Amino acid sequence: EADIYQTPRYLVIGTGKKITLECSQTMGHDKMYWYQQDPGMELHLIHYSYGVNSTEKGDLSSESTVSRIRTEHFPLTLESARPSHTSQYLCASSGSGGREKLFFGSGTQLSVL
Amino acid sequence: AQSVTQLGSHVSVSEGALVLLRCNYSSSVPPYLFWYVQYPNQGLQLLLKYTSAATLVKGINGFEAEFKKSETSFHLTKPSAHMSDAAEYFCAVSKGGGSNYKLTFGKGTLLTVNP
Repeated sequence: EADIYQTPRYLVIGTGKKITLECSQTMGHDKMYWYQQDPGMELHLIHYSYGVNSTEKGDLSSESTVSRIRTEHFPLTLESARPSHTSQYLCASSGSGGREKLFFGSGTQLSVL
Repeated sequence: AQSVTQLGSHVSVSEGALVLLRCNYSSSVPPYLFWYVQYPNQGLQLLLKYTSAATLVKGINGFEAEFKKSETSFHLTKPSAHMSDAAEYFCAVSKGGGSNYKLTFGKGTLLTVNP
């Protein structure tokens, strides 16, 4: 049912590298989100967007940045990866009706060595 | 600010037994409450949501949850566990009203179902 895609599924990278986590949805949703999830911990919202050219920081401070140039695409970038960035990153989207349910991607598990 | 507390990071039941996953919330305004499920290697899926209508909410896969304002609880139940219910379950809350849709999630409860 959910048409939201994240790539890569797993990423192992060295410290200092620039990385971009891709997220795309084909549902025409206005709202998109990035959550960070560590094992045994709650999901934390790190970025969200309510439409093209609209991005906001979430509740948890993150060194990552996002862009929303197209409705369907919401990439997350880390300019210089560090081991503290090791986590699972979940992308989600929802429609514009308010209180719409979130559709989640399968996540990207990032490991920074 | 709103928050949720899920009691028990790990719950283990036998197949056919009652499933009870606990969630208590804190919110300064009438909340909207959600249960999400995450199967291994998959994204989150919505099980059910409470949006100030009926206090007993039925969801997918035989799950239901009851909103109890006096207890600030939104516990998830299923009468008879199935092996396929093994997953991680997240309770979440958002502010009622308005157009911003930011969820605050609990830490999750891992459900194990034993044969």
